[in-house]
Amino acid sequence: ETGVTQTPRHLVMGMTNKKSLKCEQHLGHNAMYWYKQSAKKPLELMFVYSLEERVENNSVPSRFSPECPNSSHLFLHLHTLQPEDSALYLCASSQGPGAGSPLHFGNGTRLTVT
Amino acid sequence: QKEVEQDPGPLSVPEGAIVSLNCTYSNSAFQYFMWYRQYSRKGPELLMYTYSSGNKEDGRFTAQVDKSSKYISLFIRDSQPSDSATYLCAMSESGGGADGLTFGKGTHLIIQP
Repeated sequence: ETGVTQTPRHLVMGMTNKKSLKCEQHLGHNAMYWYKQSAKKPLELMFVYSLEERVENNSVPSRFSPECPNSSHLFLHLHTLQPEDSALYLCASSQGPGAGSPLHFGNGTRLTVT
Repeated sequence: QKEVEQDPGPLSVPEGAIVSLNCTYSNSAFQYFMWYRQYSRKGPELLMYTYSSGNKEDGRFTAQVDKSSKYISLFIRDSQPSDSATYLCAMSESGGGADGLTFGKGTHLIIQP
C-alpha cells in the first residue's frame, strides 16, 4: 500500500448518526490535512496537523471533530451533520506544513447526509 | 482577500491540440503556484509546482507564472484522451499547507479522440 489511503470510499448517513472517516499515509510525512470538496466550489481547508498537533482549524463547525493519534493516521469524526455537509472529503499529507511541501491527496470519501 | 478565479469549463478540444488552462488571482503575496489534475472519483494529484515567476516544463506540460499580471497558465501539448480530467490551480504564500493552499474551482477538460 502506497500513498494516502482513505476509508470508506462512500458513506451515507442520517443527520442523527455518528460516523468516522479514516486516513492513512504511507509516505513518511509529518503533516496531514482534511479538505472539503463541494460541487462548483474550490477545495476548502478544514484542519491541519503537524507532528500530531493541530495547527489550523478553519472555523469548522463542531459537528466535525478531527483526531490525529500519530503522524500516519488521521480521523474525522462526524455527528449531527446537515445535508449541506454532503461533499467529497479529502485527506492529504505533506513532508511538513511549511514551504516547499506540496500536498499528496487520497481519493476521498464521498459523504451523503440524508 | 484570497481569491483565485478559474473558468470551470467544460473545455472540449480534439486530440493532438494544444490546451491552455488559466487562473487569475488577486493576492500579490502568493509566491508558490501549483497545478493538480483530478480524474473522476479520484483525489487531486500534483502535476506542476513552481516558485515565483517564470516557466517550468515537464514532458508535455508547461507551467507559466506572470506575477506582474497575477496570471498563471498550464499548457498541454499533443493532448491525449487520457488528459481528460479536472485541472485545479492552487497557490500559497509559503508553499506549504499550513497557511492553506488557495484553490481555483477547477477546469473540466475533455479531449475528444
